[in-house]
Amino acid sequence: GAVVSQHPSRVICKSGTSVKIECRSLDFQATTMFWYRQFPKQSLMLMATSNEGSKATYEQGVEKDKFLINHASLTLSTLTVTSAHPEDSSFYICSARDRGGENLNNEQFFGPGTRLTVL
Amino acid sequence: GQNIDQPTEMTATEGAIVQINCTYQTSGFNGLFWYQQHAGEAPTFLSYNVLDGLEEKGRFSSFLSRSKGYSYLLLKELQMKDSASYLCAVDAGNMLTFGGGTRLMVKP
Repeated sequence: GAVVSQHPSRVICKSGTSVKIECRSLDFQATTMFWYRQFPKQSLMLMATSNEGSKATYEQGVEKDKFLINHASLTLSTLTVTSAHPEDSSFYICSARDRGGENLNNEQFFGPGTRLTVL
Repeated sequence: GQNIDQPTEMTATEGAIVQINCTYQTSGFNGLFWYQQHAGEAPTFLSYNVLDGLEEKGRFSSFLSRSKGYSYLLLKELQMKDSASYLCAVDAGNMLTFGGGTRLMVKP
């Protein structure tokens, strides 16, 4: 199946700093990527939909000025958590949908996730 | 709005069969996915249903009834490694909406 990578896999930072997380589709082009957040023992919550070459669409309650999303190419989307605070500590997961190829199931492929801990 | 319900926790015995139910009410429907997620890891794809009926894939099967807004994931011959969270997700138009997940604990 298609491969999606995320970097870094784990980051620990001080409160007030900004953290950038990269999501890459390695062997396919993704016009749309999705960013999820998952708190312990909870399900994935969609934060935003990232569209290549245009502004991201944010879900209700997600601050677009705090969670900056850039989808500069068909294989890369970045999520920047600005002025991170301890409550932003979470597991951040991206996914991408391969519109071409043989993705008959319309499946989304998930990255391995990034564990963010804000001290 | 979107509403997807599944039980929070289930416990089953190794070698047994377990059925995890999912009911949904969404504004659109392009298919239903089941994912398995082990703690600290990203979800992995298990199954996809877009038409009514049963899809079988090895020890795992998934059923869909669109008229009832209902799906289930059936796990046979349970193994200890099947202990994980199982997420039901509905594609309601270019994005997935996830249920709360069902934490399955398999006991010896």
